[in-house]
Amino acid sequence: EAGVTQFPSHSVIEKGQTVTLRCDPISGHDNLYWYRRVMGKEIKFLLHFVKESKQDESGMPNNRFLAERTGGTYSTLKVQPAELEDSGVYFCASSQAGGYEQFFGPGTRLTVL
Amino acid sequence: GDSVTQMEGPVTLSEEAFLTINCTYTATGYPSLFWYVQYPGEGLQLLLKATKADDKGSNKGFEATYRKETTSFHLEKGSVQVSDSAVYFCALNAGGTSYGKLTFGQGTILTVHP
Repeated sequence: EAGVTQFPSHSVIEKGQTVTLRCDPISGHDNLYWYRRVMGKEIKFLLHFVKESKQDESGMPNNRFLAERTGGTYSTLKVQPAELEDSGVYFCASSQAGGYEQFFGPGTRLTVL
Repeated sequence: GDSVTQMEGPVTLSEEAFLTINCTYTATGYPSLFWYVQYPGEGLQLLLKATKADDKGSNKGFEATYRKETTSFHLEKGSVQVSDSAVYFCALNAGGTSYGKLTFGQGTILTVHP
């Protein structure tokens, strides 16, 4: 069974540009989560989808971040326009309906210059 | 709000040494507690969990006991191997309306030398 995949693995962009990160959860997992780790700090929750609906978006830092999960399958996280402080590693995770264990992808390392 | 504090690393040990990574938490109610591990180039993997006070989670020789009285969930292993070199994260899930949200500590880098 394929795990959670994320694309791209690395992205380097300039301040003010737009970047879109993609996450493909494990097939059949209704729950999808986005997290972010800024250099050397703790991993912070961004938001939680249940199927295509946003269950909890309390961790989204500001309106430059837009997450979507059309059709309840893969998800995208768009940052527009990117700022220097957005640099970090963005993790996606998924879990079964009613399941507590979250399965994480390898992350996308975003560098904003 | 909820928070998790881990001992600062990095931690460097020789093979077969005893490992302890301290973790304490602050949360309302009765959270579930987790240890995740991230090996180089991979995503986080659940290592072990405990869902109520005095529960002991264990996996791959690692153990951690949910101590409500000290709000702690310290990770231990009696004899580490080189293959245990990784980043270890303590985390909690407080449930409630944010039932999907994991709150993480800052991570502890462990390096084990032969």
